[in-house]
Amino acid sequence: AQTVTQSQPEMSVQEAETVTLSCTYDTSENNYYLFWYKQPPSRQMILVIRQEAYKQQNATENRFSVNFQKAAKSFSLKISDSQLGDTAMYFCAFTASGTYKYIFGTGTRLKVLA
Amino acid sequence: GAVVSQHPSWVICKSGTSVKIECRSLDFQATTMFWYRQFPKQSLMLMATSNEGSKATYEQGVEKDKFLINHASLTLSTLTVTSAHPEDSSFYICSDTAGLSSYEQYFGPGTRLTVT
Repeated sequence: AQTVTQSQPEMSVQEAETVTLSCTYDTSENNYYLFWYKQPPSRQMILVIRQEAYKQQNATENRFSVNFQKAAKSFSLKISDSQLGDTAMYFCAFTASGTYKYIFGTGTRLKVLA
Repeated sequence: GAVVSQHPSWVICKSGTSVKIECRSLDFQATTMFWYRQFPKQSLMLMATSNEGSKATYEQGVEKDKFLINHASLTLSTLTVTSAHPEDSSFYICSDTAGLSSYEQYFGPGTRLTVT
């Protein structure tokens, strides 16, 4: 069975600074997808970034980038130039190719300080 | 991206009554939708996979007779919490698979259920 682990329940970062959120997963699948979702106080889930396991290149979306280490089964999220609007819960999610079912980590609560 | 709506956004019901939550995929014909439950300060737990025109597939530990799911059309899935009890109070979120090739799910805004 697949598992997703987020070992940092809470983190804080100063505005404009950089922060990295950790995520590790366990799977025997070779083809899968990884995601970071953001859940602000409104509780609307918003996709931040996605990574296909077959791609070696790390995904980037503006200020957000990932460090995907397939062998180590690690998928960390780096937020650069943190903004107050980045304050939210961040969930790492895994889905195996063909299933569409997500397995979520327990989440990291990020607070950006002014 | 795709838009998913949920109705109602917040509902309060008395213990023993049933409540229905609607999930609509507004710009995508979703043959598959998902229902999640989220307790305060916790992660999303998948309850069931809603399949258009067929029975839902429930995750282990989820009572299918208590959480009735109907996916009668390509744009609408409903979750009915039957004989609700205070412990059913939670935040319920649905999603669709509009991002078929990307495996991205699009989430509704959620429904807060409070059972008194």
